[in-house]
Amino acid sequence: DIVMTQSPDSLAVSLGERATITCKSSQSVLYSSNNENYLAWYQQKPGQPPKVVIYWASTRKSGVPDRFSGSGSGTDFTLTINNLQAEDVAIYYCQQYYSPPLTFGGGTKVEIK
Amino acid sequence: QVQLQESGPGLVKPSETLSLTCAVSGGSISSSSWWSWVRQPPRKGLEWIGEMYHSGSTNYNPSLKSRVTLSVDKSKNQFSLKMTSVTAADTAVYYCARSGAWPDRLVDSWGQGTLVTVST
Repeated sequence: DIVMTQSPDSLAVSLGERATITCKSSQSVLYSSNNENYLAWYQQKPGQPPKVVIYWASTRKSGVPDRFSGSGSGTDFTLTINNLQAEDVAIYYCQQYYSPPLTFGGGTKVEIK
Repeated sequence: QVQLQESGPGLVKPSETLSLTCAVSGGSISSSSWWSWVRQPPRKGLEWIGEMYHSGSTNYNPSLKSRVTLSVDKSKNQFSLKMTSVTAADTAVYYCARSGAWPDRLVDSWGQGTLVTVST
């Protein structure tokens, strides 16, 4: 199984500031044939299912504000939320969809300072 | 985008079998999609249970494989999860979800989830 390790577990950021979450996979999720990283970031708010914000490690899902960005390749990835807004308060999970079993990071809770 | 809706008992007794169904609307279960189950214990993270293609191909989480069976009912456009010998540790919100076929395997559609409590 590919183990996904996220950090930090939680972070508090002031409105308008930047939140940065990292995710490491225990093996590369870069598929050489199409040069895509099989890494997604999900946002989950209380009582709701997870929602994709970033896929292919850096592609923003349609409708997601451009203050969300993803970067990284291979085994090391980052989700950045610039200009944090109140509606961004949520738990964020990384997930690899390179090979089953699909695995998630432990989650990072983002709060307002 | 497809819509997914889970249904099934909200309370299951220990040692019994948990059975859930996911109704698919807005698309065919026979499309190029994998149909998945993911669970989330209260106040904890997400755990992928397994997935099934309409052809009958399956992938399971090794940690649950011995207790889980997935099936598809094409006539009803729905798929199902059965988990045997449940314990309190299986108490969770269970989500059904959809992902594409290779090379696009992103899990991009989710049901709202259904809480299953294992208790006497």
